[in-house]
Amino acid sequence: QKEVEQDPGPLSVPEGAIVSLNCTYSNSAFQYFMWYRQYSRKGPELLMYTYSSGNKEDGRFTAQVDKSSKYISLFIRDSQPSDSATYLCATNSGGSNYKLTFGKGTLLTVNP
Amino acid sequence: DAGITQSPRHKVTETGTPVTLRCHQTENHRYMYWYRQDPGHGLRLIHYSYGVKDTDKGEVSDGYSVSRSKTEDFLLTLESATSSQTSVYFCAISESTSGRDTAQYFGPGTRLTVL
Repeated sequence: QKEVEQDPGPLSVPEGAIVSLNCTYSNSAFQYFMWYRQYSRKGPELLMYTYSSGNKEDGRFTAQVDKSSKYISLFIRDSQPSDSATYLCATNSGGSNYKLTFGKGTLLTVNP
Repeated sequence: DAGITQSPRHKVTETGTPVTLRCHQTENHRYMYWYRQDPGHGLRLIHYSYGVKDTDKGEVSDGYSVSRSKTEDFLLTLESATSSQTSVYFCAISESTSGRDTAQYFGPGTRLTVL
Protein backbone atom coordinates (compact mmCIF):
# COMPACT_ATOMS: atom_id res chain seq x y z
CA GLN A 1 0.00 0.00 0.00
CA LYS A 2 1.34 3.40 -0.96
CA GLU A 3 1.80 5.80 1.96
CA VAL A 4 -0.38 8.49 0.34
CA GLU A 5 -3.11 7.73 -2.17
CA GLN A 6 -4.73 10.41 -4.29
CA ASP A 7 -7.28 10.01 -7.07
CA PRO A 8 -5.56 11.40 -10.20
CA GLY A 9 -8.82 12.51 -11.81
CA PRO A 10 -9.11 14.32 -14.09
CA LEU A 11 -11.89 16.29 -12.45
CA SER A 12 -13.92 18.74 -14.53
CA VAL A 13 -16.45 21.09 -12.92
CA PRO A 14 -18.41 24.18 -13.98
CA GLU A 15 -17.45 27.58 -12.66
CA GLY A 16 -18.98 28.26 -9.26
CA ALA A 17 -19.08 24.61 -8.20
CA ILE A 18 -17.79 23.33 -4.88
CA VAL A 19 -14.79 21.10 -5.42
CA SER A 20 -13.70 18.33 -3.08
CA LEU A 21 -10.20 16.87 -3.42
CA ASN A 22 -9.13 13.98 -1.23
CA CYS A 23 -6.19 11.88 -0.09
CA THR A 24 -5.81 8.92 2.20
CA TYR A 25 -2.65 7.96 4.02
CA SER A 26 -1.45 4.88 5.87
CA ASN A 27 1.19 6.09 8.35
CA SER A 28 -0.36 7.09 11.66
CA ALA A 29 2.82 9.04 12.53
CA PHE A 30 1.98 11.70 9.93
CA GLN A 31 0.92 14.88 11.64
CA TYR A 32 1.68 17.73 9.24
CA PHE A 33 -0.51 18.02 6.16
CA MET A 34 -0.14 20.27 3.16
CA TRP A 35 -1.86 21.01 -0.10
CA TYR A 36 0.08 22.28 -3.08
CA ARG A 37 -1.26 23.77 -6.29
CA GLN A 38 0.71 23.30 -9.48
CA TYR A 39 -0.11 25.15 -12.66
CA SER A 40 1.00 23.65 -15.94
CA ARG A 41 4.77 23.93 -16.44
CA LYS A 42 5.26 25.61 -13.04
CA GLY A 43 6.59 24.52 -9.67
CA PRO A 44 4.26 23.38 -6.87
CA GLU A 45 3.01 26.25 -4.74
CA LEU A 46 2.09 25.79 -1.07
CA LEU A 47 -1.63 26.43 -0.73
CA MET A 48 -2.65 25.20 2.71
CA TYR A 49 -0.94 23.83 5.79
CA THR A 50 -2.58 22.05 8.71
CA TYR A 51 -1.31 20.34 11.80
CA SER A 52 -3.08 17.27 13.21
CA SER A 53 -6.85 16.92 12.93
CA GLY A 54 -9.30 19.70 12.24
CA ASN A 55 -10.23 22.32 9.69
CA LYS A 56 -8.40 25.34 8.37
CA GLU A 57 -10.00 27.96 6.18
CA ASP A 58 -8.31 30.50 3.90
CA GLY A 59 -10.66 32.44 1.66
CA ARG A 60 -12.40 30.02 -0.69
CA PHE A 61 -10.20 27.12 0.43
CA THR A 62 -10.76 24.78 3.39
CA ALA A 63 -8.37 22.03 4.38
CA GLN A 64 -9.72 19.24 6.55
CA VAL A 65 -7.84 16.45 8.32
CA ASP A 66 -9.42 13.41 9.96
CA LYS A 67 -6.63 11.47 11.61
CA SER A 68 -8.98 8.76 12.89
CA SER A 69 -9.77 7.72 9.32
CA LYS A 70 -6.45 8.92 7.85
CA TYR A 71 -8.26 11.13 5.40
CA ILE A 72 -7.38 14.63 4.20
CA SER A 73 -9.51 16.90 2.05
CA LEU A 74 -9.33 20.22 0.28
CA PHE A 75 -12.56 22.05 -0.50
CA ILE A 76 -12.74 24.89 -2.99
CA ARG A 77 -15.86 27.05 -2.86
CA ASP A 78 -17.09 29.14 -5.78
CA SER A 79 -14.49 27.58 -8.06
CA GLN A 80 -12.97 29.78 -10.75
CA PRO A 81 -11.26 28.97 -14.06
CA SER A 82 -8.05 30.23 -12.45
CA ASP A 83 -8.29 27.29 -10.01
CA SER A 84 -7.59 24.92 -12.91
CA ALA A 85 -4.39 23.16 -11.90
CA THR A 86 -3.03 19.96 -10.40
CA TYR A 87 -3.48 19.70 -6.64
CA LEU A 88 -1.06 17.62 -4.62
CA CYS A 89 -1.46 16.55 -1.01
CA ALA A 90 1.65 16.06 1.10
CA THR A 91 2.39 14.97 4.63
CA ASN A 92 5.20 14.16 7.03
CA SER A 93 5.75 13.27 10.63
CA GLY A 94 8.06 16.16 11.44
CA GLY A 95 10.92 15.93 13.90
CA SER A 96 14.05 14.39 12.41
CA ASN A 97 12.01 12.98 9.54
CA TYR A 98 11.60 15.96 7.25
CA LYS A 99 10.88 13.96 4.13
CA LEU A 100 7.56 14.94 2.60
CA THR A 101 5.40 12.17 1.18
CA PHE A 102 3.33 13.38 -1.78
CA GLY A 103 0.21 12.13 -3.44
CA LYS A 104 0.46 11.92 -7.21
CA GLY A 105 -1.88 14.85 -7.72
CA THR A 106 -5.40 15.46 -9.01
CA LEU A 107 -5.87 17.44 -12.23
CA LEU A 108 -8.75 19.90 -11.87
CA THR A 109 -10.36 21.86 -14.70
CA VAL A 110 -12.94 24.56 -13.92
CA ASN A 111 -14.96 25.37 -17.03
CA PRO A 112 -16.29 28.92 -17.55
CA ASP B 1 8.68 31.32 -6.00
CA ALA B 2 10.04 31.87 -2.50
CA GLY B 3 13.45 33.24 -3.45
CA ILE B 4 14.45 30.10 -5.32
CA THR B 5 15.98 30.07 -8.77
CA GLN B 6 17.00 27.12 -10.89
CA SER B 7 19.37 27.08 -13.82
CA PRO B 8 19.21 26.21 -16.57
CA ARG B 9 15.44 26.24 -17.03
CA HIS B 10 15.62 24.05 -20.10
CA LYS B 11 18.34 21.74 -21.32
CA VAL B 12 18.71 19.21 -24.09
CA THR B 13 21.71 16.91 -23.89
CA GLU B 14 22.96 13.63 -25.29
CA THR B 15 23.21 10.26 -23.62
CA GLY B 16 26.46 9.80 -21.74
CA THR B 17 27.22 13.45 -21.10
CA PRO B 18 27.47 14.88 -17.57
CA VAL B 19 24.89 17.50 -16.62
CA THR B 20 24.79 19.83 -13.63
CA LEU B 21 21.67 21.62 -12.46
CA ARG B 22 21.88 24.48 -10.03
CA CYS B 23 19.51 25.61 -7.32
CA HIS B 24 20.03 28.96 -5.64
CA GLN B 25 18.05 30.31 -2.67
CA THR B 26 18.00 33.68 -0.99
CA GLU B 27 15.97 32.57 2.06
CA ASN B 28 18.89 31.19 4.10
CA HIS B 29 16.93 27.99 4.71
CA ARG B 30 18.87 25.07 6.11
CA TYR B 31 17.21 22.25 4.18
CA MET B 32 17.31 21.80 0.42
CA TYR B 33 15.89 19.05 -1.78
CA TRP B 34 16.01 17.80 -5.35
CA TYR B 35 12.96 16.09 -6.85
CA ARG B 36 12.07 14.76 -10.23
CA GLN B 37 8.50 14.77 -11.52
CA ASP B 38 7.29 12.29 -14.10
CA PRO B 39 3.81 11.39 -15.34
CA GLY B 40 2.40 8.51 -13.33
CA HIS B 41 5.07 8.80 -10.64
CA GLY B 42 4.47 12.21 -9.15
CA LEU B 43 7.25 13.90 -7.23
CA ARG B 44 10.14 11.69 -6.19
CA LEU B 45 12.97 12.73 -3.91
CA ILE B 46 16.44 12.33 -5.40
CA HIS B 47 18.74 13.80 -2.74
CA TYR B 48 18.45 16.25 0.09
CA SER B 49 20.73 18.40 2.22
CA TYR B 50 20.41 19.28 5.88
CA GLY B 51 23.32 21.69 5.97
CA VAL B 52 26.48 22.76 4.18
CA LYS B 53 28.32 19.62 3.06
CA ASP B 54 25.60 17.45 4.67
CA THR B 55 23.63 15.47 2.13
CA ASP B 56 21.79 12.19 1.92
CA LYS B 57 20.04 10.00 -0.61
CA GLY B 58 16.37 10.01 -1.43
CA GLU B 59 14.31 7.30 -3.04
CA VAL B 60 15.68 7.61 -6.61
CA SER B 61 19.33 8.58 -6.15
CA ASP B 62 21.03 6.14 -8.54
CA GLY B 63 22.85 8.02 -11.30
CA TYR B 64 22.75 11.32 -9.43
CA SER B 65 25.11 13.11 -7.09
CA VAL B 66 24.80 16.38 -5.20
CA SER B 67 26.98 18.96 -3.56
CA ARG B 68 26.38 21.85 -1.22
CA SER B 69 29.37 24.05 -0.48
CA LYS B 70 27.32 27.12 0.50
CA THR B 71 24.00 27.54 2.25
CA GLU B 72 22.45 29.13 -0.80
CA ASP B 73 23.52 26.67 -3.51
CA PHE B 74 22.63 23.03 -4.07
CA LEU B 75 23.93 21.33 -7.19
CA LEU B 76 22.55 18.19 -8.80
CA THR B 77 24.84 16.28 -11.17
CA LEU B 78 23.85 13.56 -13.58
CA GLU B 79 27.14 11.77 -13.92
CA SER B 80 26.37 10.19 -17.30
CA ALA B 81 22.93 11.18 -18.54
CA THR B 82 20.54 8.50 -19.77
CA SER B 83 17.19 8.79 -21.54
CA SER B 84 15.44 7.58 -18.36
CA GLN B 85 16.60 10.80 -16.69
CA THR B 86 14.52 12.91 -19.05
CA SER B 87 12.26 14.66 -16.58
CA VAL B 88 11.34 17.89 -14.87
CA TYR B 89 13.59 18.59 -11.91
CA PHE B 90 12.48 20.70 -8.98
CA CYS B 91 14.50 22.14 -6.15
CA ALA B 92 12.78 22.79 -2.83
CA ILE B 93 13.74 24.39 0.46
CA SER B 94 12.46 24.27 4.01
CA GLU B 95 13.43 26.18 7.10
CA SER B 96 13.09 23.50 9.70
CA THR B 97 11.56 20.15 10.53
CA SER B 98 9.08 21.33 13.12
CA GLY B 99 5.76 23.07 12.90
CA ARG B 100 4.90 25.39 10.06
CA ASP B 101 8.52 25.41 8.95
CA THR B 102 8.32 21.81 7.81
CA ALA B 103 6.56 22.98 4.64
CA GLN B 104 8.71 22.93 1.52
CA TYR B 105 8.83 25.67 -1.09
CA PHE B 106 9.59 24.84 -4.67
CA GLY B 107 11.56 26.47 -7.44
CA PRO B 108 10.30 26.91 -11.01
CA GLY B 109 11.83 23.68 -12.32
CA THR B 110 14.31 22.59 -14.97
CA ARG B 111 13.05 20.67 -17.97
CA LEU B 112 15.76 18.20 -19.03
CA THR B 113 15.68 16.14 -22.20
CA VAL B 114 18.28 13.43 -22.77
CA LEU B 115 18.49 12.29 -26.39
